[in-house]
Amino acid sequence: EAQVTQNPRYLITVTGKKLTVTCSQNMNHEYMSWYRQDPGLGLRQIYYSMNVEVTDKGDVPEGYKVSRKEKRNFPLILESPSPNQTSLYFCASSSRGGEQFFGPGTRLTVL
Amino acid sequence: GDSVTQMEGPVTLSEEAFLTINCTYTATGYPSLFWYVQYPGEGLQLLLKATKADDKGSNKGFEATYRKETTSFHLEKGSVQVSDSAVYFCALSNAGGTSYGKLTFGQGTILTVHP
Repeated sequence: EAQVTQNPRYLITVTGKKLTVTCSQNMNHEYMSWYRQDPGLGLRQIYYSMNVEVTDKGDVPEGYKVSRKEKRNFPLILESPSPNQTSLYFCASSSRGGEQFFGPGTRLTVL
Repeated sequence: GDSVTQMEGPVTLSEEAFLTINCTYTATGYPSLFWYVQYPGEGLQLLLKATKADDKGSNKGFEATYRKETTSFHLEKGSVQVSDSAVYFCALSNAGGTSYGKLTFGQGTILTVHP
């Protein structure tokens, strides 16, 4: 089954404790993205990757890091989380043409 | 930069009512337009899309027409069901250069349908 998986689905952490949210896709897509969803703001892109070892900033990259060492994986790293990073995070992947497939989401709370 | 504006929500309707959710966009070039739906507790699913002016996307009774002259992509359904209750997002993709794969979203519209 074609899918994008994310882990964990729910996470509660404290300010400053490094964390990683994993994302994996099995569709051999070149492009992968991370978005955060906040009420009234829709989804905003954090980082994206066009291929292995090729990443770039989206609209709200501050406080986040990513890596793309393998085509199927695109982890999101928060080196020192802060409360304003409390949000719902989605990973997505796509082929050329812009149709994106989304993961189920990770709800992060930073205390 | 690119932007998408959706009508303010939430929208509450009775079953079998007509639905319109307005969406307008600002973009350079010739973007592709999308409607995504998010059911409670789930990720986003593509509902329909249109890739050029005057194209009509349709799926599950929903329709939207790409209007370049008014820069709009309004979502419509003739008769909504309780199961249509969800959050609806309008989005665009400007597939040029490094914009491949990037979607710009509107703020989302919460739809609640009552029996």
